[in-house]
Amino acid sequence: GAVVSQHPSWVICKSGTSVKIECRSLDFQATTMFWYRQFPKQSLMLMATSNEGSKATYEQGVEKDKFLINHASLTLSTLTVTSAHPEDSSFYICSASPLPAAETQYFGPGTRLLVL
Amino acid sequence: AQSVTQPDIHITVSEGASLELRCNYSYGATPYLFWYVQSPGQGLQLLLKYFSGDTLVQGIKGFEAEFKRSQSSFNLRKPSVHWSDAAEYFCAVGARNNNDMRFGAGTRLTVKP
Repeated sequence: GAVVSQHPSWVICKSGTSVKIECRSLDFQATTMFWYRQFPKQSLMLMATSNEGSKATYEQGVEKDKFLINHASLTLSTLTVTSAHPEDSSFYICSASPLPAAETQYFGPGTRLLVL
Repeated sequence: AQSVTQPDIHITVSEGASLELRCNYSYGATPYLFWYVQSPGQGLQLLLKYFSGDTLVQGIKGFEAEFKRSQSSFNLRKPSVHWSDAAEYFCAVGARNNNDMRFGAGTRLTVKP
């Protein structure tokens, strides 16, 4: 149980285009979902936290207009990277929690984004 | 705010040898502590966690960790490493009912045949 999927697993796009990444909790309802960014050989950086039906809470330094997060249902959250640039290339990982707490989060497999 | 330090960026051990990965944390209250493993290009898998109670925590894949409050440490151990254990290991600290979880920089484990 407690499976979280992400789609796509990898994506290549041109600079200036927008990319949407989906995060789904497959066998539980996710009250809270988290989006992380991971640079090569570095740790995870929390970008934002979203609760179903509410606006996402962004971490300091993360541009909310650049990284649009939607948590429309208890099983789906999306991250849209708008007007992507090469510096947005990264590994994006989502996690989902059945509770409004990070200690019960389950991680997705990640999405590798390459912006050319 | 909480923080986590993993002093070792990269560790190499021989298959069958014992392993200890270090983790030190900084947090004002009683922390929730976690160890995750990440294989290349993959998400994170929870190995074990400590919330309260017995300070020696058993996890999956034969891993264990010991919470030492006096040393602010939560080191991960395994008595005999397998080649499949080669991966990146992350220690994390959080708090109860709190969305703010901090991850260490990670320790990359290489296993020699």
